[in-house]
Amino acid sequence: TAGITQAPTSQILAAGRSMTLRCTQDMRHNAMYWYRQDLGLGLRLIHYSNTAGTTGKGEVPDGYSVSRANTDDFPLTLASAVPSQTSVYFCASSETTGGGTDTQYFGPGTRLTVL
Amino acid sequence: GQNIDQPTEMTATEGAIVQINCTYQTSGFNGLFWYQQHAGEAPTFLSYNVLDGLEEKGRFSSFLSRSKGYSYLLLKELQMKDSASYLCAAVNSNYQLIWGAGTKLIIKP
Repeated sequence: TAGITQAPTSQILAAGRSMTLRCTQDMRHNAMYWYRQDLGLGLRLIHYSNTAGTTGKGEVPDGYSVSRANTDDFPLTLASAVPSQTSVYFCASSETTGGGTDTQYFGPGTRLTVL
Repeated sequence: GQNIDQPTEMTATEGAIVQINCTYQTSGFNGLFWYQQHAGEAPTFLSYNVLDGLEEKGRFSSFLSRSKGYSYLLLKELQMKDSASYLCAAVNSNYQLIWGAGTKLIIKP
């Protein structure tokens, strides 16, 4: 099974441009998450979704938006990219509808550079 | 505030034992995860503790003390493939994971 896939693998983006990072899971998990990982910092939650049709803000949501139209897909959109959004972005999913103690499974990540 | 502390980097010898410590301060507590992350790859699940004590899983064991806000990951019979970062994450009262910055473990032959 593929688990979680993310696209693209990496991207260089000009500041001010918009971009959507794609995330798809085939495990029929209810909850999905977007994190960013920066050197010297822990993973930081951007947005999450407990179930299809619902989303919530994490620790660092500004400049990002998400949607959850169905169970499998959870795209992350940067409306107008800034250099501080240069990071590695991980999508994750877990079986629970937001209980939080279920194991989170991570996608391979998208490395984004904003110039 | 919420905070997770773990050492930035540790070095150990192949075949030896290493203990990676993690202390946490969170608003409420609903358990603690350990993940392994090889360079350039995604984090992968190692263990979850919610009750005090030691849980053993092959060469890896994880310990939790809720009263001390402390956990450790114990790796035995170290292999070169264990060179990776080890991430500690505590679950707070909102059931969100608060992540440490990770401990980079370097294994030397």
